[in-house]
Amino acid sequence: DTGVSQNPRHKITKRGQNVTFRCDPISEHNRLYWYRQTLGQGPEFLTYFQNEAQLEKSRLLSDRFSAERPKGSFSTLEIQRTEQGDSAMYLCASSSGTSGGNEQFFGPGTRLTVL
Amino acid sequence: AQSVTQLDSHVSVSEGTPVLLRCNYSSSYSPSLFWYVQHPNKGLQLLLKYTSAATLVKGINGFEAEFKKSETSFHLTKPSAHMSDAAEYFCVPPLRVKYIFGTGTRLKVLA
Repeated sequence: DTGVSQNPRHKITKRGQNVTFRCDPISEHNRLYWYRQTLGQGPEFLTYFQNEAQLEKSRLLSDRFSAERPKGSFSTLEIQRTEQGDSAMYLCASSSGTSGGNEQFFGPGTRLTVL
Repeated sequence: AQSVTQLDSHVSVSEGTPVLLRCNYSSSYSPSLFWYVQHPNKGLQLLLKYTSAATLVKGINGFEAEFKKSETSFHLTKPSAHMSDAAEYFCVPPLRVKYIFGTGTRLKVLA
């Protein structure tokens, strides 16, 4: 399967702990995106990379959140000092090209539960 | 700025009957518009996309949508619903690079 993969699929953690999620995009895609989705809502944009450069961050991305994409391949999203409000599905997507309107391919998501 | 409104948060249809999921857009120029589907516990999948090449767009699984500039609409239709169509559907305007999702329309298919 050459789609977008995310690990882990589920993560349960205690409040105050740090967590890290990984996303492996489709190999030839230069753009990578992170979204967060809570129950009953559509996904909310968090950040995106073009190659290794992080070009945009949402105001939703507090100082406790950091994302990296070393070498323009896989990406990690880290949440420090997790809070119960961080419980959500974290979605990763990738796309090709350098203009807007390209189709984004989504991974299955990582479901985070903060106790 | 470009935005969309999905007029129904929930739609219920009987299996074998037509599906209509409504999306209206607001834009000062011809937009790109996508429809995505999200099945329970699964990732988002592109159903179809409008990029101004043709106003009637056919997608996967028998879905299609017609871009109507006079009505500023991009409604999603299917002639005959199947149980497997039960899912969340999102009409999405790609805002430059990122997507802006609304709350979506949950489609329920009754046996």
